[in-house]
Amino acid sequence: DAGVIQSPRHEVTEMGQEVTLRCKPISGHNSLFWYRQTMMRGLELLIYFNNNVPIDDSGMPEDRFSAKMPNASFSTLKIQPSEPRDSAVYFCASSLYRASYEQYFGPGTRLTVT
Amino acid sequence: GQQVMQIPQYQHVQEGEDFTTYCNSSTTLSNIQWYKQRPGGHPVFLIQLVKSGEVKKQKRLTFQFGEAKKNSSLHITATQTTDVGTYFCAGTGAGSYQLTFGKGTKLSVIP
Repeated sequence: DAGVIQSPRHEVTEMGQEVTLRCKPISGHNSLFWYRQTMMRGLELLIYFNNNVPIDDSGMPEDRFSAKMPNASFSTLKIQPSEPRDSAVYFCASSLYRASYEQYFGPGTRLTVT
Repeated sequence: GQQVMQIPQYQHVQEGEDFTTYCNSSTTLSNIQWYKQRPGGHPVFLIQLVKSGEVKKQKRLTFQFGEAKKNSSLHITATQTTDVGTYFCAGTGAGSYQLTFGKGTKLSVIP
């Protein structure tokens, strides 16, 4: 298996632009997580899907952030409009069955908003 | 909400010295996981502990789960340069399925 796939690996955009991050979980996994990692705040859970249904989005910082999982093999995290404070590494992770099981992280997307 | 605290934040050791990182939760945990993130990489699962007082070993790494299931530790014996990275603990609260990550301990090993 190729593991969790994320694209793009790097994104540089200007403030106000829309950013879309993509994730393909490991085949057969039914839980998917979006995390944000910064030096100041560490690794933060943004949203968690189980069987394509959002279970907990309390970590989504603002209405500017939205996430979708239209099917079991694809998810997106969208930021619109982006701001410099959104600069971070965004990780997608997947798990079999539920969050309390081991999570497999993708390589991450490094986002820079200027 | 549940908080997971990890200390120390940074640790610099001479190669061959031992290293320990500690994890404490504000609430009782149903399980705890440990992850390692190499510089520029992504977190990689190391182990999961479920039982009170559980101890597990992986070569030079020893993981413990406290009797009260509120704390955990990772001990590395005779560190090597390949141990460099940030070690995270992540816990699941009783009745919850969500993992809460600690801030991590960044280990540097001086050759």
